[in-house]
Amino acid sequence: QQQVKQSPQSLIVQKGGISIINCAYENTAFDYFPWYQQFPGKGPALLIAIRPDVSEKKEGRFTISFNKSAKQFSLHIMDSQPGDSATYFCAASIEGSGGSNYKLTFGKGTLLTVNP
Amino acid sequence: NAGVTQTPKFRVLKTGQSMTLLCAQDMNHEYMYWYRQDPGMGLRLIHYSVGEGTTAKGEVPDGYNVSRLKKQNFLLGLESAAPSQTSVYFCASHKLGQGANQPQHFGDGTRLSIL
Repeated sequence: QQQVKQSPQSLIVQKGGISIINCAYENTAFDYFPWYQQFPGKGPALLIAIRPDVSEKKEGRFTISFNKSAKQFSLHIMDSQPGDSATYFCAASIEGSGGSNYKLTFGKGTLLTVNP
Repeated sequence: NAGVTQTPKFRVLKTGQSMTLLCAQDMNHEYMYWYRQDPGMGLRLIHYSVGEGTTAKGEVPDGYNVSRLKKQNFLLGLESAAPSQTSVYFCASHKLGQGANQPQHFGDGTRLSIL
């Protein structure tokens, strides 16, 4: 059972354009939604994260939009650059108090290519 | 400060052979994880540890064992390698948060091929 569904699988955008990657989750207990960025030959790295008490979070050119009622969240990359070309993973987790684990459930990833 | 270091970076095994992947972190993190990454499958959790001496199963634990004898090290073992275990393996760690998720810090992966 895939708990976090990510789309599209791949995305090609022209330099300066907007990249949009979508994720949908099933478990309503999820309350932490990070996005990870992975360059070829490297491990993923946290890009930006949101909690469901806000509908949007922006960091530079990267924005997460969150729709709790639809159980969906998306990553928007404004003014996309060739250096943004990477694989992007959405994920979800349940926050807890001390002693709890913080296992992430990942989407399957989106390969973003930004053409010059 | 090296972060998360995985050893080896590449390895080719024959079916039935055994091996151990090593993950070392120098950030004094309590939590450590082993994932496998396969094309089109994302990252799937194999095993994880919430502290020295403790381990737990993740989503795809079959065929793997782990140990966390020292806080800084998390070992992933394959007792009898199978071609289905051909994958890229990532280790990650993060510190204990006070009720809040902390970013997971990933190593650069071990590329394992089983012939």
